[in-house]
Amino acid sequence: AQKVTQAQTEISVVEKEDVTLDCVYETRDTTYYLFWYKQPPSGELVFLIRRNSFDEQNEISGRYSWNFQKSTSSFNFTITASQVVDSAVYFCALSNYNTDKLIFGTGTRLQVFP
Amino acid sequence: GAVVSQHPSWVICKSGTSVKIECRSLDFQATTMFWYRQFPKQSLMLMATSNEGSKATYEQGVEKDKFLINHASLTLSTLTVTSAHPEDSSFYICSAPVPGSDEQYFGPGTRLTVT
Repeated sequence: AQKVTQAQTEISVVEKEDVTLDCVYETRDTTYYLFWYKQPPSGELVFLIRRNSFDEQNEISGRYSWNFQKSTSSFNFTITASQVVDSAVYFCALSNYNTDKLIFGTGTRLQVFP
Repeated sequence: GAVVSQHPSWVICKSGTSVKIECRSLDFQATTMFWYRQFPKQSLMLMATSNEGSKATYEQGVEKDKFLINHASLTLSTLTVTSAHPEDSSFYICSAPVPGSDEQYFGPGTRLTVT
């Protein structure tokens, strides 16, 4: 069975702090994809990243970075120098290589205070 | 980039009535679309896979007779909530993978409130 766990339900930080959102996944598949999405208060999901299981290179995009560790089945997301606009719910998700169906984690609500 | 739209963005209906939600891919053809449901402060749960020209595939526990899905064209899938009850009140989101690419786009969601 596939499962995504985001143990942090809510995180509060002050602007300019760095924050890491944890994601741990379970799958029996050898080939799979991992995703992060941002859901601001408007509700619309914003795609942040997709990573396939063969690519363990860490990724950096501006203030965002992702750490994929297959050995611990984790795909953590770090926001550097957080801003108020980063306040949202962040979802980690998993899909099988052969399907585009996404299994979502329970989400982490991030609040960044000025 | 590719865009997926949903209509309506919100709807309020009375218990016992049916509501139709549309999901459109605006600049690409989507042979497959997905329907998710999100209860307040909860995660997104996949309800069904909508397949153009064939029957939808429902996830375990989702009543196919209650949530009717029709994917009549390559750019439109509809979800009809039949005989809606207050417990069907939720945020319904569709998504569509872009064929031949790694990308999948989500619609903006439809907030359904059943009174």
